[in-house]
This record gives sequence, C-alpha cells and structure tokens, in this order.
Amino acid sequence: EIVLTQSPGTLSLSPGERATLSCRASQSVSSSYLAWYQQKPGQAPRLLIYGASSRATDIPDRFSGGGSGTDFTLTISRLEPEDFAVYYCQQYGSSPQTFGQGTQLEIK
Amino acid sequence: QLQLQESGPGLVKPSETLSLTCTVSGGSISSGSYYWGWIRQPPGKGLEWIGSIYYRGSTYYNPSLESRVTISVDTSKDQFSLRLTSVTAADTAVYYCARHFIQPWFFAYWGQGALVTVSS
Repeated sequence: EIVLTQSPGTLSLSPGERATLSCRASQSVSSSYLAWYQQKPGQAPRLLIYGASSRATDIPDRFSGGGSGTDFTLTISRLEPEDFAVYYCQQYGSSPQTFGQGTQLEIK
Repeated sequence: QLQLQESGPGLVKPSETLSLTCTVSGGSISSGSYYWGWIRQPPGKGLEWIGSIYYRGSTYYNPSLESRVTISVDTSKDQFSLRLTSVTAADTAVYYCARHFIQPWFFAYWGQGALVTVSS
C-alpha cells in the first residue's frame, strides 16, 4: 500500500501568514488522485481539495493544492482564525486508499 | 442536503462483534454514482479506511481488516452497516460513514462519527 508522510507534524503560524503543508507518497500517486481534508476537534473531516488541485464546493480560494507524482502541497495563502486545525492528505489512486498521519496547524 | 448518521452501541466487549449502521437522508443510497464507506479514527490518531459498498452489494475492504469486516446495505431503509468481529482495544475509535464516487474515491460527505470503545 502507498504510505503518505505529512510534514511538518506541527506548524505554528499567526493569522495572516502563509501556510505550506507537505504530503509525500512512498510511490507515485496515479492520476494525481490526492485529496486534502481539514478536521477540527470533535468534527468529521471536511474535504478541501481533490485531484491534487481542485477545490471542493464552498472552499475559499485561499486554499490551493499542487504537486504530482510523489510530492504534494496544500497552501493556505493568508491564515484566518478558523483555519487552525488538523489537515490530512489521502491518496485514492491505488487500493487500499490511505491517509497521511496529519499536520496540526496551530496558532503561534 | 445529503446527511449521514451513524448509530450503534458505544461500548463493546473484547472478542465480541462491533455493529454500526449509517442512515442516509436527503438522498437515496440507490443512486448509481456512489459508493458508501466506513472510515475510523482511533483517539488522537489518523484516519483508516475500512471498506466501501455499492448499493447493489459489491464491496471493497481494506486488506488489513478484511478477515474481520462485513459491510452490508439495506436499500429499503437507505442504510448500510458495518460488522467488525473479534474486537480488541485497538479497535477503539470514532467510526465515520461517508460517501464517495464510484471513481474517484475521495469523501465529500461524512457522518458526524460514532465513538466505539472496546472494553470489558
């Protein structure tokens, strides 16, 4: 199975700053079948990005995804207070679909 | 608006069977475009896909759990269910039901999650 490694484990930033989160796959992710989710405490994950770079419905344009092959990034251009949460990447190009271990984005 | 709601016992004894049901509202489980899946998250940890089912009954399971998992569907009730046998403390988790396309398999709709604790 494809193992996804997210870095950093924790990212401490201030509102207004730019956040860059990384997701590295142990093998190439076919067709850029990579998604990003945001999860807040006590809530289900929320789909942000699919197909590596397509924003899901109602997701603000400050969220953007990029990358291909084995290296993917999620960028939040200007952090809003509500963006501080845990972020997970998921590959769905090969079975079993797998998730990364998460990046905690915390307020500095 | 599509909604998914998990239900079932919150406490299961070791070696017994965990059973959960997901009820779909605001849409039909018999829509031909989607699979219906289960994902779990141990406390403080990451997400693990358990398996998915199509309304006609075809299933895909995570090989790491396949020997203990059964997912079934009841289209008359717009419900699908999870059974996980021979549970241990390692199966303690929040269990989510969710929907994904036949292809691609990202999850756009999730239930709120149900915490299941395995303990005697």
